[in-house]
Amino acid sequence: DVKVTQSSRYLVKRTGEKVFLECVQDMDHENMFWYRQDPGLGLRLIYFSYDVKMKEKGDIPEGYSVSREKKERFSLILESASTNQTSMYLCASSSRGRSFATNEKLFFGSGTQLSVL
Amino acid sequence: RKEVEQDPGPFNVPEGATVAFNCTYSNSASQSFFWYRQDCRKEPKLLMSVYSSGNEDGRFTAQLNRASQYISLLIRDSKLSDSATYLCVVNPYNFNKFYFGSGTKLNVKP
Repeated sequence: DVKVTQSSRYLVKRTGEKVFLECVQDMDHENMFWYRQDPGLGLRLIYFSYDVKMKEKGDIPEGYSVSREKKERFSLILESASTNQTSMYLCASSSRGRSFATNEKLFFGSGTQLSVL
Repeated sequence: RKEVEQDPGPFNVPEGATVAFNCTYSNSASQSFFWYRQDCRKEPKLLMSVYSSGNEDGRFTAQLNRASQYISLLIRDSKLSDSATYLCVVNPYNFNKFYFGSGTKLNVKP
């Protein structure tokens, strides 16, 4: 089975702190994603990466950055945490798929519930 | 307009009932479709992919209607353990993006 591991299940930080959320997958997937999930808003894409050192902005990248130095690891960075970044953060990965028109299914980590005080 | 829309529910049904959810998508070029299940405070997990010809997995049946741009999920003989939020996921032609519905909550009562 695919395993996507997020480093922390719960995290409490203070406003202004720099926060690192780590994600590791063990299936050699090309694509990795960071989402946040908030009640009533569903999952929203923050950033994704389709290869090492490649990254693209998702729908809500403001206040976040990412790093993908190795294929298996995708880090989300909150440069200066704010209270409106309190959320559930979900990392996911997928393989690229057999053609540019399709993609394989997403596999999720167990999530990090981040509270910024 | 949202890329993917779902009725948030909740759908409250008794054990043994049949329940169906629909999900509409806006991009007619969408290629891949999925249903995910999410339990409270847990990550989404793949329930089933949705194929053009429709597909079935035990008590679960998924259908795709490209003309009307919707997918459906039918659950027969509902179990208490089916209580969860069901997320509709669509992958349009841009193969790096997945669009999620906000989810439909199902409560199966004894």
